Amino acid sequence: NAGVTQTPKFRILKIGQSMTLQCTQDMNHNYMYWYRQDPGMGLKLIYYSVGAGITDKGEVPNGYNVSRSTTEDFPLRLELAAPSQTSVYFCASTLAGYGTGGYEQYFGPGTRLTVT
Amino acid sequence: AQKVTQAQTEISVVEKEDVTLDCVYETRDTTYYLFWYKQPPSGELVFLIRRNSFDEQNEISGRYSWNFQKSTSSFNFTITASQVVDSAVYFCALSEDPVNNDMRFGAGTRLTVKP
Repeated sequence: NAGVTQTPKFRILKIGQSMTLQCTQDMNHNYMYWYRQDPGMGLKLIYYSVGAGITDKGEVPNGYNVSRSTTEDFPLRLELAAPSQTSVYFCASTLAGYGTGGYEQYFGPGTRLTVT
Repeated sequence: AQKVTQAQTEISVVEKEDVTLDCVYETRDTTYYLFWYKQPPSGELVFLIRRNSFDEQNEISGRYSWNFQKSTSSFNFTITASQVVDSAVYFCALSEDPVNNDMRFGAGTRLTVKP
């Protein structure tokens, strides 16, 4: 198993540009998450999904959109990039039964995004 | 609301020293889960341990040990006989929502182990 994969690894965007960060997992996990990590900070949840077709906002969703058409893929879309979105983005997944918690999340290697 | 505080921003030790990383959490729930993750210089996040709120038994795994105390809302992590390879940022995280299973992370503690 490749686990959680993310592309691209690095990206530089100009202000106002759009892009999609790709995330794929091959562990048949139902839950998937997008986090951002700003320098010297912990991770903050952007969006999450509990299964295909179901997504919900996390702590910092503004400026982002997600979709979940398959179990495996959970892309994150930035529509109008702003310097405040310069960060490292992590995708994660976990296999959890609905209503049962406490499962560790498996993380992808991250995408380092710079908006200038 | 859930909250995780890692008051130690950076710690520097010399190899073979023991070091404890502190984690204090806030939650109103009686059922919750605590985690530690390691982020080495390469940037990936590595899961270290999970503990649920009903299990206060301390755990030891090789040079790593964890002390969970509900009375003080703490889940501290000790590395015994530290090694240079332990140099990383360590994150404590809390999960209390069994529906979305999301985690709230602390700001992390950067540990540097010098040879």
